[in-house]
Amino acid sequence: KAGVTQTPRYLIKTRGQQVTLSCSPISGHRSVSWYQQTPGQGLQFLFEYFSETQRNKGNFPGRFSGRQFSNSRSEMNVSTLELGDSALYLCASSQNDRIAGNTIYFGEGSWLTVV
Amino acid sequence: DAKTTQPPSMDCAEGRAANLPCNHSTISGNEYVYWYRQIHSQGPQYIIHGLKNNETNEMASLIITEDRKSSTLILPHATLRDTAVYYCIVRYPANTGNQFYFGTGTSLTVIP
Repeated sequence: KAGVTQTPRYLIKTRGQQVTLSCSPISGHRSVSWYQQTPGQGLQFLFEYFSETQRNKGNFPGRFSGRQFSNSRSEMNVSTLELGDSALYLCASSQNDRIAGNTIYFGEGSWLTVV
Repeated sequence: DAKTTQPPSMDCAEGRAANLPCNHSTISGNEYVYWYRQIHSQGPQYIIHGLKNNETNEMASLIITEDRKSSTLILPHATLRDTAVYYCIVRYPANTGNQFYFGTGTSLTVIP
């Protein structure tokens, strides 16, 4: 079974621009969550989607948004990029049910550099 | 979710068992203990999880104390490829959302 796939793997953007990152979950997984990892703040939860609905949201400004499609694929968007948004953005998927549990499986991440 | 405490770093000789401790003294009865690891610049990798019984899989063993206030992840024969940051997380079971809180973890260095 294919793992979580994130695209693009690396990208460079300029301050003020916006960026969209894509995530394809493991087949059959309905929950997709996003995390930001920086050297200073570590791994921080951004938001989670389940059945196309945002179920949980971390403490990030409104410039960070996401969505989930009917096939469970997800995108996250960051508008008006700031230098501090430079980070590794990780997507994770889970079956999230009583039998399979909610173990999450991560993709390799998208490295975003804002210049 | 309960907070966890891990030592910031540990060393282990190659071929020896690596024992990584985690303290979760405020864990509640329904919370599971999860372990993940992150090799530099890669996405975190799931290792193992458990509720109260000891668990073993092809990667590691998880030993949870009887009072569930602490646990130990055991890598039975550490290799250089096990050098990574190891995260211990406690979580409620399914259908309550998938918000995992990652602390700072333990940086394990396997020495040749």
